[in-house]
Amino acid sequence: GQNIDQPTEMTATEGAIVQINCTYQTSGFNGLFWYQQHAGEAPTFLSYNVLDGLEEKGRFSSFLSRSKGYSYLLLKELQMKDSASYLCAVRDLSNDYKLSFGAGTTVTVRA
Amino acid sequence: DVKVTQSSRYLVKRTGEKVFLECVQDMDHENMFWYRQDPGLGLRLIYFSYDVKMKEKGDIPEGYSVSREKKERFSLILESASTNQTSMYLCASSTSPQGVHEQYFGPGTRLTVT
Repeated sequence: GQNIDQPTEMTATEGAIVQINCTYQTSGFNGLFWYQQHAGEAPTFLSYNVLDGLEEKGRFSSFLSRSKGYSYLLLKELQMKDSASYLCAVRDLSNDYKLSFGAGTTVTVRA
Repeated sequence: DVKVTQSSRYLVKRTGEKVFLECVQDMDHENMFWYRQDPGLGLRLIYFSYDVKMKEKGDIPEGYSVSREKKERFSLILESASTNQTSMYLCASSTSPQGVHEQYFGPGTRLTVT
C-alpha cells in the first residue's frame, strides 16, 4: 500500500494563497489526484498529475515531483467558498483501479 | 453530468441487523467502488467492482460484502451491523483506469449503528 501524508488543517485569509503539501510512498506510481470535499458533500475532482511539473487550472494549480514523492495543491486568490477539505490520492501500477487517499487537509478561509 | 446516487443520506440501524446500501450511476461506467470515511483516517476502500458480477476486496473488506448484478448498480451489504461500522459510506464510479479517468462520488450515506 501507500503512505500518504498531508497536513490536517490550514487557515488562510480571503485573497491570499495557500499551499497544501502531500507526500507519498509507493512502489509503482501511476498518477496523483486532488479532490475537494465541502462539509457534508461528495468529493469532487480537482486535478491529476502523472508527470513531473505544474498543472494549472484557473485559481488552482497542482505540482508533482515523482523523484521526491511529493505533490502540492496551490490555491490562489482564496475565496470563502474554498473552505473545504482537500484530499490527495495516489494510484499505483499494481492495481490501476484503486486510489489510496490521504486523510485530507481542512482549509478554513477567514475574511 | 455524471450522476452517482445513493439510496439514503442518513440511516440508523441496530447492532446485528443486515444493512443494504445501494448505489446507482448513470454514465455506463465499468468500475464502481465503496469507501468508508472516518475522521483522521480519510477514505478507505472496502470493495470495488470492474465489471458486472466481478468484485475485488479493498483494504478493509471484513464485515462487508457487495453485489453487482447490473452495470449501473453496486450494493454494499453489512451482514451483521456492528457499532464500529458507524461511518460515512461513499460510493464512486469511473471508466477505464487508463489516463485521468477520475472517480465520481455519490453524496454519501451516514450510517449509525446503535
